[in-house]
Amino acid sequence: QVQLQESGPGLVKPSETLSLTCTVSGGSISNFYWSWIRQSPGKGLEWIGHIYHTGSTSYNPSLKSRVTMSIDTSKNQFSLKLDSVTAADTAVYFCARGVRFDPWGQGTLVTVSS
Amino acid sequence: EIVLTQSPGTLSLSPGDRATLSCRASQSVNNNYLAWSQQKPGQAPRLLIYGAVNRDTGIPDRFSGSGSGTDFTLTISRLEPEDFAVYYCHQYGSLPRTFGQGTKVEIK
Repeated sequence: QVQLQESGPGLVKPSETLSLTCTVSGGSISNFYWSWIRQSPGKGLEWIGHIYHTGSTSYNPSLKSRVTMSIDTSKNQFSLKLDSVTAADTAVYFCARGVRFDPWGQGTLVTVSS
Repeated sequence: EIVLTQSPGTLSLSPGDRATLSCRASQSVNNNYLAWSQQKPGQAPRLLIYGAVNRDTGIPDRFSGSGSGTDFTLTISRLEPEDFAVYYCHQYGSLPRTFGQGTKVEIK
């Protein structure tokens, strides 16, 4: 069965760039949308955006100016970059497959602090 | 964007009870592309229902979804101990994808 695993730094300084990678195992990254979603106590679940296996992207307008997603089909990985982070970006970041979000990765806590 | 409002915020019930959770959309959800997920503490959400009424693979038949347009319901016919969790709806009919704020089903 398909499994997703997020990886990346757990601590990022304010104004710097948050970078995360999601590795897909047990299945191909082709022919699906791949999303990033975050969860913080203050804002609940928030869809950040998605990328198709072709590299086509769509981002949440609330974050669009700071988000970049990329995909590496040879490694079965896709990535998230969020620029100019602040404390408000502190959250658990999840990756998920498809439009139904099935399955999800286990999530990774990213704290923005100096 | 479509705003999803879930009610109630918290549902206090006993094992064996019937749970009825509501998700109301600010505008019609295209193709009834509305999903329900369950989240337990420290875990990622798990998909239960998609397309408003379809159970995902392996989901017990005590979970059922109904509704269309702007009003959707998740029903758990008889609560098992492992069903006490937070439930979220999300729509995938239009961009940006949006989530409801969640309903917590707690043990009474």
